[in-house]
Amino acid sequence: QSVLTQPPSASGTPGQRVTISCSGSSSNIGSNYVYWYQQLPGTAPKLLIYRNNQRPSGVPDRFSGSKSGTSASLAISGLRSEDEADYYCAAWDDSLSGSFYVFGTGTKVTVL
Amino acid sequence: QVQLQESGPGLVKPSQTLSLTCTVSGGSISSGSYYWSWIRQPAGKGLEWIGRIYTSGSTNYNPSLKSRVTISVDTSKNQFSLKLSSVTAADTAVYYCASSFSSWGQGTLVTVSS
Repeated sequence: QSVLTQPPSASGTPGQRVTISCSGSSSNIGSNYVYWYQQLPGTAPKLLIYRNNQRPSGVPDRFSGSKSGTSASLAISGLRSEDEADYYCAAWDDSLSGSFYVFGTGTKVTVL
Repeated sequence: QVQLQESGPGLVKPSQTLSLTCTVSGGSISSGSYYWSWIRQPAGKGLEWIGRIYTSGSTNYNPSLKSRVTISVDTSKNQFSLKLSSVTAADTAVYYCASSFSSWGQGTLVTVSS
């Protein structure tokens, strides 16, 4: 039921920059903030980016978010082994029946 | 930041109602402008938002689950709850509770099986 599309996988070597895309529509990304979550294996998701490009305290500045139109992206610079995880974008979707939250399809980041 | 903990049966029979509770600690469920959400994740799959509630009682639900979902809040116990009716094997998942998505519980596995 995901309406936000992400690439299934992304990879890079330590120190590289990796970018993950998230494609939506005018009813979600196009008119609302984008959020990004990191899910390490066997753990609950963790909020990584909120309001398109804001980092909660404690999140390294190696993680950055951006949004343009109906798409968004997450960049991880200076890739580290501990960044190997699943990453999800999300946004509120404004439908005729009310607002609901949609997650992206998820991207597995592998550190080579 | 508040801490959240899910609790409830780990096994539910098909056609029955799944009931989970999320206990909030380290802060009052009534304070601030938080909303309280339920999210689930089938094994090996992505995240699915189930719904949210404000302490005012106002709710929003995922349209695909709306006919089966009820989320409620008990401010006296600092808890909020999820009820999902008429469950099938497709409802088997790890269920998470979260506060405005900034804090998440550790998740609880619910299996639907006879």
